[in-house]
Amino acid sequence: DTGVSQNPRHKITKRGQNVTFRCDPISEHNRLYWYRQTLGQGPEFLTYFQNEAQLEKSRLLSDRFSAERPKGSFSTLEIQRTEQGDSAMYLCASSSGVSSYNSPLHFGNGTRLTVT
Amino acid sequence: RKEVEQDPGPFNVPEGATVAFNCTYSNSASQSFFWYRQDCRKEPKLLMSVYSSGNEDGRFTAQLNRASQYISLLIRDSKLSDSATYLCVVNPRANQGGKLIFGQGTELSVKP
Repeated sequence: DTGVSQNPRHKITKRGQNVTFRCDPISEHNRLYWYRQTLGQGPEFLTYFQNEAQLEKSRLLSDRFSAERPKGSFSTLEIQRTEQGDSAMYLCASSSGVSSYNSPLHFGNGTRLTVT
Repeated sequence: RKEVEQDPGPFNVPEGATVAFNCTYSNSASQSFFWYRQDCRKEPKLLMSVYSSGNEDGRFTAQLNRASQYISLLIRDSKLSDSATYLCVVNPRANQGGKLIFGQGTELSVKP
């Protein structure tokens, strides 16, 4: 399977705990994006990488969120001191970034986080 | 004003109907536009890119109006399988490869 892979599929955690999610993009894609989606809303942009460089992070994102892509391949998203408002589907997407405009995003299945 | 806005619907239509969705964007410099489809509890999947001259893919037609800053999606001869949420996606800047902003989605339900 050469699609975008996310782990875990589901995560239930207690408020105040830290969680980490992993995303493995399509192997030849150099751009990687993280989004968050709640019921009835479209995906909300969190951050994106070009290779290992984090080029933009949403101003809506608190300091409790951090993302890395150390070798320009897989990425991790960590949420520290989780709050109930962090409960959402966390989506990872990748794109090839070779055209002069945005290439379409290819999404993984997402990680559903529930904070109790 | 939101960067990308859509009518949330839902749109309830009978099979065979033609339905149109509109989406407005706030930045006149935006260059990249897409329509995505999202089935319930699934990830979004690309439906079609939107080109300046408009483009068609089977029963689906996408249009871009730069002067009014909106894009549209027309679905002809609706099928039951078209029931989903349709997401408008825009790069809010003119630079290559920047963030892509999603609208809130428009829900479509096609009934027999």
